[in-house]
Amino acid sequence: DAGVTQSPTHLIKTRGQQVTLRCSPKSGHDTVSWYQQALGQGPQFIFQYYEEEERQRGNFPDRFSGHQFPNYSSELNVNALLLGDSALYLCASSFQGRTQETQYFGPGTRLLVL
Amino acid sequence: GESVGLHLPTLSVQEGDNSIINCAYSNSASDYFIWYKQESGKGPQFIIDIRSNMDKRQGQRVTVLLNKTVKHLSLQIAATQPGDSAVYFCAEGAAAGNKLTFGGGTRVLVKP
Repeated sequence: DAGVTQSPTHLIKTRGQQVTLRCSPKSGHDTVSWYQQALGQGPQFIFQYYEEEERQRGNFPDRFSGHQFPNYSSELNVNALLLGDSALYLCASSFQGRTQETQYFGPGTRLLVL
Repeated sequence: GESVGLHLPTLSVQEGDNSIINCAYSNSASDYFIWYKQESGKGPQFIIDIRSNMDKRQGQRVTVLLNKTVKHLSLQIAATQPGDSAVYFCAEGAAAGNKLTFGGGTRVLVKP
């Protein structure tokens, strides 16, 4: 049973560029949440996707956008990259159902903006 | 606003001893609390969770205590092992599948 997978593992971009990160949820999960984790800090919630729609959003600008596909996988897009966007981007999946389940995290994508 | 914080940024413990990691939360509306372990270069790994209708929950070598009166959460690790060395995060949310708010983390160092 595969857990949450993310790609790529590492990425280097320059300021002003755009980036797309990908996430495949754990088997049986239908909800994907994205978090940003700066070095030495706890993860910060970006947004959550369920039934291909953004369901919740944290305090992140519109430069951060996402998408969920019919197979429940998800993408995180960041436009006009800033140096401060350098971080570990984490994807977490869960199953809504009747009894909400714990969110399980993937290994993350390390983004460096130069 | 919502926030989850930790009292001790670093905890050094002797192998075999018990560890206690503390966490304070500020959102009284939170109904779900969870502890994650994060090793260097990896994503957070689920340890144990608890809902607000409980005050204690036990897992394998771990126990989570919830005190809603003082908005305090703790993680107890029994017989700490070298593999327990990591950063531990507490997080809270309205429900298990909802947005989680994380604290800043506590680093646990296990001395042989």
